[in-house]
Amino acid sequence: GENVEQHPSTLSVQEGDSAVIKCTYSDSASNYFPWYKQELGKRPQLIIDIRSNVGEKKDQRIAVTLNKTAKHFSLHITETQPEDSAVYFCAAIGNNDMRFGAGTRLTVKP
Amino acid sequence: DTGVSQDPRHKITKRGQNVTFRCDPISEHNRLYWYRQTLGQGPEFLTYFQNEAQLEKSRLLSDRFSAERPKGSFSTLEIQRTEQGDSAMYLCASSLSQGSEQFFGPGTRLTVL
Repeated sequence: GENVEQHPSTLSVQEGDSAVIKCTYSDSASNYFPWYKQELGKRPQLIIDIRSNVGEKKDQRIAVTLNKTAKHFSLHITETQPEDSAVYFCAAIGNNDMRFGAGTRLTVKP
Repeated sequence: DTGVSQDPRHKITKRGQNVTFRCDPISEHNRLYWYRQTLGQGPEFLTYFQNEAQLEKSRLLSDRFSAERPKGSFSTLEIQRTEQGDSAMYLCASSLSQGSEQFFGPGTRLTVL
């Protein structure tokens, strides 16, 4: 089955700096890679996703890159703001398997 | 309400009791997923449905857990003979199809005393 590793587990940056979170997966059948943001006490919400036929996707300050050969994908947040502070989860999803990473707690200091 | 809803939001039970949770997905979504989340961890996949068919069940899922989606709309997750280790947030999500965004419900927080 799929195994997803996420790093780092915690990340603290200064407001305006960039943040990068990395994930690796094991199942080459995984073809959909979403990223979720979860604020304390709330449900996970999708912030960006990428499919296996695409190498990079960008949405304003958020971008995701995917390297299928190396089986890793990354989330990039530029110009971070205090409201970006939350726990971020990556996921690797195939036809019958869906695994989430353990999460990265991002703190953006004003 | 057009989002995913779950009921109850909180459940406190004694060890050994049975509990049942309900999830109402977004109405046009064919796929429905159940996850379990403990503090400091990502959602752990339990099972999912394509319409009324249960297509996959995690090998980690004990025989005490069972899920149904009888009419392809709402789903129930039952835990029999609850144990303290079952204490967690149980999340439901739905999506239009495989590889499309999963929308999560607010979760049911289970506490087993």
